[in-house]
Amino acid sequence: EDQVTQSPEALRLQEGESSSLNCSYTVSGLRGLFWYRQDPGKGPEFLFTLYSAGEEKEKERLKATLTKKESFLHITAPKPEDSATYLCAVQSNYQLIWGAGTKLIIKP
Amino acid sequence: DAGVIQSPRHEVTEMGQEVTLRCKPISGHNSLFWYRQTMMRGLELLIYFNNNVPIDDSGMPEDRFSAKMPNASFSTLKIQPSEPRDSAVYFCASRYRGEMPEAFFGQGTRLTVV
Repeated sequence: EDQVTQSPEALRLQEGESSSLNCSYTVSGLRGLFWYRQDPGKGPEFLFTLYSAGEEKEKERLKATLTKKESFLHITAPKPEDSATYLCAVQSNYQLIWGAGTKLIIKP
Repeated sequence: DAGVIQSPRHEVTEMGQEVTLRCKPISGHNSLFWYRQTMMRGLELLIYFNNNVPIDDSGMPEDRFSAKMPNASFSTLKIQPSEPRDSAVYFCASRYRGEMPEAFFGQGTRLTVV
């Protein structure tokens, strides 16, 4: 059965304290892995797409990496404005299988 | 482009009433998704349209839910009759089914059924 598991459920960091969020997946025929950011009261906002093991994408303080079993979202020297819920999804055929998300809180 | 536009942003209705949620996808996108998000279940796919045709509605909870896409620029999700357990945030997302498979979401409609 296709499944996506994100950890931790919540993560509190001090401003400037780097860390990583994990997205583990089992899917038959990965067509893409997606990272989204969701702020309270808003829709998910697209961040990255990764297609194959070894691929990396960067945007500002965020870097996403992919292996055959998991993806990491690394956040370097985060700022309070990086606080949000980060969602991971994998594409199997046309469907996106979503993780439950990691709620990231960056304290000033 | 203004992105995916949903209306209304908030809807409060009484149990048993009909509710209609609306979505305008991004121009040029040929796939549209309706999702429901709750704390307990996260994001759940309700229905998927490709080129205005419903491809998979297996996520629609029951016959009280129906969705239409009469043209490429408009879709509706209707709940009749509504029940308190339908309270959730409903999102519409669209994408171009081609080289850029990522979906773009609207701001959502927060539905409260009392």
